[in-house]
Amino acid sequence: DAGVIQSPRHEVTEMGQEVTLRCKPISGHDYLFWYRQTMMRGLELLIYFNNNVPIDDSGMPEDRFSAKMPNASFSTLKIQPSEPRDSAVYFCASRTSDYNEQFFGPGTRLTVL
Amino acid sequence: GENVEQHPSTLSVQEGDSAVIKCTYSDSASNYFPWYKQELGKGPQLIIDIRSNVGEKKDQRIAVTLNKTAKHFSLHITETQPEDSAVYFCAASMMQGAQKLVFGQGTRLTINP
Repeated sequence: DAGVIQSPRHEVTEMGQEVTLRCKPISGHDYLFWYRQTMMRGLELLIYFNNNVPIDDSGMPEDRFSAKMPNASFSTLKIQPSEPRDSAVYFCASRTSDYNEQFFGPGTRLTVL
Repeated sequence: GENVEQHPSTLSVQEGDSAVIKCTYSDSASNYFPWYKQELGKGPQLIIDIRSNVGEKKDQRIAVTLNKTAKHFSLHITETQPEDSAVYFCAASMMQGAQKLVFGQGTRLTINP
């Protein structure tokens, strides 16, 4: 397996634009997590899914953020409209119920100008 | 909710020496404590974890200790090598369910040749 795949790896956009980040979890994993990493706040959990269903979105900072998981192989995190303070590295991670380890993707570095 | 404090934020050691990173947590219900290593430009990767029913766990040059009474746990790396240079994160969560990880702020470890 190629591991967790995220795209794009880098995204530069202007304030007010819509941004969509994509994630393909490891096949067979039933949990998917979206994290945000910044210098100020470290690694924070935004939302997680179990069997494609959003379970806990309490970490989503504002209504401008939304996430979907239409099937077991794909998830998106959307920011609309984007703001400079959304600049961060966004990680997707997945795991199976059978084991403890969360596998992280390489991240998407988002810069909002 | 859970709060994890990690110290030090930066650590520099000579190659071959030992490195110790310490974390404290606030929620006595937490019973799963993983450590992740993050190399430049990559996502975090699990290196070792410990459950609350165990006081110490070792894997080659890496060991983790847990003191549930004091609510603190530590990562020990012996015989450090240049490839150990990275950012290390501790985390805490419940074993049951999704394992919503709460991360410490990270320690940037530099191994000097």
